[in-house]
This record gives sequence, structure tokens and C-alpha cells, in this order.
Amino acid sequence: QQQVKQSPQSLIVQKGGISIINCAYENTAFDYFPWYQQFPGKGPALLIAIRPDVSEKKEGRFTISFNKSAKQFSLHIMDSQPGDSATYFCAASTMDSSYKLIFGSGTRLLVRP
Amino acid sequence: ETGVTQSPTHLIKTRGQQVTLRCSSQSGHNTVSWYQQALGQGPQFIFQYYREEENGRGNFPPRFSGLQFPNYSSELNVNALELDDSALYLCASSNQRGPYEQYFGPGTRLTVT
Repeated sequence: QQQVKQSPQSLIVQKGGISIINCAYENTAFDYFPWYQQFPGKGPALLIAIRPDVSEKKEGRFTISFNKSAKQFSLHIMDSQPGDSATYFCAASTMDSSYKLIFGSGTRLLVRP
Repeated sequence: ETGVTQSPTHLIKTRGQQVTLRCSSQSGHNTVSWYQQALGQGPQFIFQYYREEENGRGNFPPRFSGLQFPNYSSELNVNALELDDSALYLCASSNQRGPYEQYFGPGTRLTVT
């Protein structure tokens, strides 16, 4: 119940294309869903986050789509650039889970020039 | 504004030894969380400190302990090191309790031989 399942494990996209990464969860008490971007040798960086009271949130080229009934959320990267090549993690949390932020297993994105 | 810093960058220890990792939180942040990230995996929550008190703990044994100081910097101590403790240890700070708006440091790479 505490897991967040992330797919795909890896993704190759051409420059200018749309990258889509999906996550699914079971715990309906989760109320905070952030996405993190991690480059090799660096810590994760917060990209964008959503709460379950909205179905979509957009920040620049990054959009989170949230489907509460399906218990799924996804990250869309529009106009993908080679500089977006990194590992992306979804995560989820609830104030009832001892403030634990639970991460997915990650998606390694490669954007080809 | 200074970001989250961690020391040391890399560390090699022998099984059975003890290790202390250090984290300086971002200016203005009063909450520090520690995570363990095994190679190719998402970070796993160890514990969180808010205003010098432990505020939540993940599924890690008691040999993982921590401390937060009045200036909100923090230490992670691991006793009786095991080979499986080899990982990247990440510190994240925020200006509120809970999983929200966490900003990660670059991590400490611990290798246990």
C-alpha cells in the first residue's frame, strides 16, 4: 500500500518530442505528489508537485496530470531537450505516514539531439 | 541564498565501523530529512528532524540515528556498518514539517567494504 510504481524504467525521445512518465499508487490517503529530476552525481531537484484537488498543473514545459479515480499521475515534458536527459522520480506522501516521502524507482530519460 | 551542503562527498568504511555524515540546511529552513539511495533506486526515507526533534522515521534499524543542532544543521550516524549500507546518503531541507518542498543536497557516497 505504501508503494509508488513508476514506468517506464527508461525512455528515449527525440529532441522536440514529448516525454511521458507514469506513476501509480494504492494508498488513497496520499495527498502530495511531487516529481524530482536527478542528474548524475547530484541530489534530486524538485520539479513540480500537485495535490489531489486539481487534475493538472503546468510549469513551463513540465505538466503533471493527475487521475484520482485511477490512482495514477504522470509527468509530461513538452518540447524535450537534450538537457532534460536525467533520471526522473515520482513520489507521494501523506501527513499520516510519519512525513515519509515515498519515491518511485525512477525513469532514465535520454533525449537525442 | 546558500543551498543544502553535505560532507564528506565520498567515504570508504569497513564493515562493523561507525560513520557520521553531516548536512547544512538551506538558509531559513528548520527541517531536515535524510534518505538512503541505493544504486539505480529511488531514495528511501530514513528520518526527519524538525527543530531538533525527530519528527518521523522510516523502516531503518536503530543503528541509524540522527541529530539536529540549534542552527538546524544535522548529522546522520550509522553504527555497526554492513555491506548493504553502501549507498548515496541524501539530506533534504525545508521550511516546514512534513514532505513538502524538500530541497536536496548533493549527497555523500558511502562505500562499506
